[in-house]
Amino acid sequence: ETGVTQSPTHLIKTRGQQVTLRCSSQSGHNTVSWYQQALGQGPQFIFQYYREEENGRGNFPPRFSGLQFPNYSSELNVNALELDDSALYLCASSLDPANQPQHFGDGTRLSIL
Amino acid sequence: DQQVKQNSPSLSVQEGRISILNCDYTNSMFDYFLWYKKYPAEGPTFLISISSIKDKNEDGRFTVFLNKSAKHLSLHIVPSQPGDSAVYFCAASATGTYKYIFGTGTRLKVLA
Repeated sequence: ETGVTQSPTHLIKTRGQQVTLRCSSQSGHNTVSWYQQALGQGPQFIFQYYREEENGRGNFPPRFSGLQFPNYSSELNVNALELDDSALYLCASSLDPANQPQHFGDGTRLSIL
Repeated sequence: DQQVKQNSPSLSVQEGRISILNCDYTNSMFDYFLWYKKYPAEGPTFLISISSIKDKNEDGRFTVFLNKSAKHLSLHIVPSQPGDSAVYFCAASATGTYKYIFGTGTRLKVLA
């Protein structure tokens, strides 16, 4: 059984640029959630995708957007990058949207210069 | 507003003893709770969960206790092993919201 995989593992961008992060969900999982984890903090929910539709969103501005594909893999796009966007971005997949354990990938470390 | 709080940033325990990690929450609508373990440079790994209809759930060395009236949950690890040294996060969700709210984590160090 293949777990959640994320790419790239590390990325360096400058302010104002755009970035796309990718996630392959665990086999059999139809739901993908994205989180941002700043240093010393817990993961913060960005949004969730279920069957290719956004299923819920946290307190993040519209420049954070996403997609889910028919094979349930997902992308996180961030436009107009700001210094505060520097963080670990985690993707998690689950069997269903709610009341199910979410299984995480190892994350993408994004640094904004 | 931190709805899920882990007030102890760190904890040290001797190998073989019990580790108790605590978590408090403020939102009475939370009805599903999880614990995750995180090693450096890896994503969080799911450990154990509990729904609000139960007050205890056990899986091997890991037991989670839920006290709904106190809005408190705890994770017990018995016996603690050096490989348990990691950062532990509790998380909570409310039915229909689909988002999990995480605490800030407790770093557990198990001393050999």
